[in-house]
Amino acid sequence: GDSVTQMEGPVTLSEEAFLTINCTYTATGYPSLFWYVQYPGEGLQLLLKATKADDKGSNKGFEATYRKETTSFHLEKGSVQVSDSAVYFCALRPGGSEKLVFGKGTKLTVNP
Amino acid sequence: EADIYQTPRYLVIGTGKKITLECSQTMGHDKMYWYQQDPGMELHLIHYSYGVNSTEKGDLSSESTVSRIRTEHFPLTLESARPSHTSQYLCASSENRGIDNEQFFGPGTRLTVL
Repeated sequence: GDSVTQMEGPVTLSEEAFLTINCTYTATGYPSLFWYVQYPGEGLQLLLKATKADDKGSNKGFEATYRKETTSFHLEKGSVQVSDSAVYFCALRPGGSEKLVFGKGTKLTVNP
Repeated sequence: EADIYQTPRYLVIGTGKKITLECSQTMGHDKMYWYQQDPGMELHLIHYSYGVNSTEKGDLSSESTVSRIRTEHFPLTLESARPSHTSQYLCASSENRGIDNEQFFGPGTRLTVL
């Protein structure tokens, strides 16, 4: 079945460090891919998305590229801030489906 | 900013009580969803709806039930709460269009059953 595997946390970085959170997926057909962020005590917010191979999603300095050949959608940010501390979820929507399949989440803590 | 609301935000109740978690959205979205988020953060879809009078079970079996009598309202009910129901419950909604329609999430209800 469809699944998402993302790197386990927690991840702890210093402010201005480079961030990579790995995400790979298994899916039939052509899924859409998403990164959601959950700040403490809140629901999930869409961070970025990509709907076809080689698409790059970007928002708030975060980027992720839909790589079909490696079935990956890694999240990157060049310089993290304390305010980026949150839990990050990679997700896919299988082609023709309304459902989202989530990874287990990666908790990021950024220290000043 | 998404206009989707959940009440209560926090609920502590005793075993055997009947509870209803409320979810409302003011965006006119046809599709609505309930997710259960365990302490390890993983999210599981437990119910969804494509519109009024439509409800479907999700990927994770749940003893809860849902109803969709009005477009904006998608309440979740537990007839007899148990400690195993302790979790965070997230409601979401999305438009009825396209393949990349975003799901908007509410702030969640954190349920503790003693």
